[in-house]
Amino acid sequence: EAGVAQSPRYKIIEKRQSVAFWCNPISGHATLYWYQQILGQGPKLLIQFQNNGVVDDSQLPKDRFSAERLKGVDSTLKIQPAKLEDSAVYLCASSLVREGDNEQFFGPGTRLTVL
Amino acid sequence: AQKVTQAQTEISVVEKEDVTLDCVYETRDTTYYLFWYKQPPSGELVFLIRRNSFDEQNEISGRYSWNFQKSTSSFNFTITASQVVDSAVYFCALNEFSSNTGKLIFGQGTTLQVKP
Repeated sequence: EAGVAQSPRYKIIEKRQSVAFWCNPISGHATLYWYQQILGQGPKLLIQFQNNGVVDDSQLPKDRFSAERLKGVDSTLKIQPAKLEDSAVYLCASSLVREGDNEQFFGPGTRLTVL
Repeated sequence: AQKVTQAQTEISVVEKEDVTLDCVYETRDTTYYLFWYKQPPSGELVFLIRRNSFDEQNEISGRYSWNFQKSTSSFNFTITASQVVDSAVYFCALNEFSSNTGKLIFGQGTTLQVKP
């Protein structure tokens, strides 16, 4: 079974530029998550999708971050414009269902450096 | 408010030593789930265990064991006879049933270095 795929693996941009990350979850997983992991910290949930609907985006900085999962499969996370403090690893995860006791499967992450 | 604390930032042991990683959580929910994940240098978080708040039985899986104590709000993880391959960052995480989502609240992580 293929795992969660993410691309690109690394991205370096200058502040105020835009960037987009892509995630393809495990086939059949209805729930998709984007986490932000700043160096030395644990991951923090940015947004959770159930199929193509948003379940929780309470910690997404909506003035600059946006995410979509139009067909309920793969997802894109965008930052526009980027700030220095957005430097982090962006992790995508998926699970079969949305309930909290469900195991989440994580991708390798995209490491973003904002200069 | 919900919170997970992993007070040990870094631990260094010599191979074959036993090591315990501490995790203390805060929640007002009576129903919640606790997790441990391992993050090797490759970056992917790997699921290790899940516990629900009504199951305080300790669990052993090979060299790994977990001690869940509601009285002290702790969910500690012990590796017996550590190996170099155990070197990684380990995260404890909490999900509150009342959130009605899969949102995981992670601790800061403990970096474990096992030296040969």
